[in-house]
Amino acid sequence: DTGVSQDPRHKITKRGQNVTFRCDPISEHNRLYWYRQTLGQGPEFLTYFQNEAQLEKSRLLSDRFSAERPKGSFSTLEIQRTEQGDSAMYLCASKMGGPADTQYFGPGTRLTVL
Amino acid sequence: QQQVKQSPQSLIVQKGGISIINCAYENTAFDYFPWYQQFPGKGPALLIAIRPDVSEKKEGRFTISFNKSAKQFSLHIMDSQPGDSATYFCAASSSTGGGNKLTFGTGTQLKVEL
Repeated sequence: DTGVSQDPRHKITKRGQNVTFRCDPISEHNRLYWYRQTLGQGPEFLTYFQNEAQLEKSRLLSDRFSAERPKGSFSTLEIQRTEQGDSAMYLCASKMGGPADTQYFGPGTRLTVL
Repeated sequence: QQQVKQSPQSLIVQKGGISIINCAYENTAFDYFPWYQQFPGKGPALLIAIRPDVSEKKEGRFTISFNKSAKQFSLHIMDSQPGDSATYFCAASSSTGGGNKLTFGTGTQLKVEL
């Protein structure tokens, strides 16, 4: 399978715990995006990387959230001191650089904070 | 600020009928308008996309109509099938700044009945 993969698919945690999600993009894609989707809503942009550089962060990304893409390949999204409001589907997408527009999404990580 | 408004929120269509979903945008810098299909527990998958230099694009049973002056675009699903039952999201992005991040509508839950 050469699509975008995410791990884990589901995560249940208690309030106050830290969680980390991983995204493996399509191998030749140099742009990687993180989105958050709550029930009944469309995905909302969180942040994106061009290779290893994090180029933009949404105001939705509080200082409890941090994302990395250390070697320009896979990316991790960490949430510290989770809150119940963090419960959502976290989606990763990747695309080629340049004029290619299509973002390909992974299956998402469903986070439930108890 | 919701930059892409989508309607209706839900839609029930008989098998063989036409499903129509509408979106309106505000940001005139948007220059790429994709539609995504999402099944429960899955990530969004690109269905069809259009750029504002054309007024219509058709791929199989799916057609996008685009009205640049009205800042509106719509998805038409011809000969709707039960397998089309899913949530559909319109989205928009700009290639001039913002890294092509997608701004999504709130989604339309389509049900195609036999």
